[in-house]
Amino acid sequence: AQTVTQSQPEMSVQEAETVTLSCTYDTSESDYYLFWYKQPPSRQMILVIRQEAYKQQNATENRFSVNFQKAAKSFSLKISDSQLGDAAMYFCAYRSGGGSNYKLTFGKGTLLTVNP
Amino acid sequence: GAVVSQHPSWVICKSGTSVKIECRSLDFQATTMFWYRQFPKQSLMLMATSNEGSKATYEQGVEKDKFLINHASLTLSTLTVTSAHPEDSSFYICSARAGLRPSYEQYFGPGTRLTVT
Repeated sequence: AQTVTQSQPEMSVQEAETVTLSCTYDTSESDYYLFWYKQPPSRQMILVIRQEAYKQQNATENRFSVNFQKAAKSFSLKISDSQLGDAAMYFCAYRSGGGSNYKLTFGKGTLLTVNP
Repeated sequence: GAVVSQHPSWVICKSGTSVKIECRSLDFQATTMFWYRQFPKQSLMLMATSNEGSKATYEQGVEKDKFLINHASLTLSTLTVTSAHPEDSSFYICSARAGLRPSYEQYFGPGTRLTVT
């Protein structure tokens, strides 16, 4: 079974600074997807960024980028120019590229605080 | 983007009663829907996966007779918590996928807070 580990229960960053959230995963599959989701106090899950395992290029979405190290099974999220609205719980998630249901496996989350 | 709604957003029920939570895909047909449970300050725990017209597949440790899931149409799935007890109090989140290809995203509803008194 696949596992996702987020070793940082809490992180804090100053507004306008950069922060990196860590995620490692364990799988024997070669075809899979990785995601970072944001859950603000409203508790609505929001997709931040996704990475296909077959793509060597790291995904980026505006101020959000990932460092995908496939051999090391590492998938970190970098938030640049942090904003107060970035404060949330961030979940790393894994999804198999095969099968039929494609269920997500989540890490335990990292609570990000942004200090003004 | 695709929108998933849940109703109600918050429900309080008495111990021993049943409560139904609806999950709807508003602008796409959801071939697969997922139900999660989330305790405060914890991650999402997958409870079950349902495909339209088929019986739900429950995760290990989830009581299928307590958490009844019905995916009767391509836009609606329901979760019924039967004979609810205080320990069933939690935040329940549904999500939906539009198709069977790996590239299809999973879209999340806003969640339902259940309090059993």
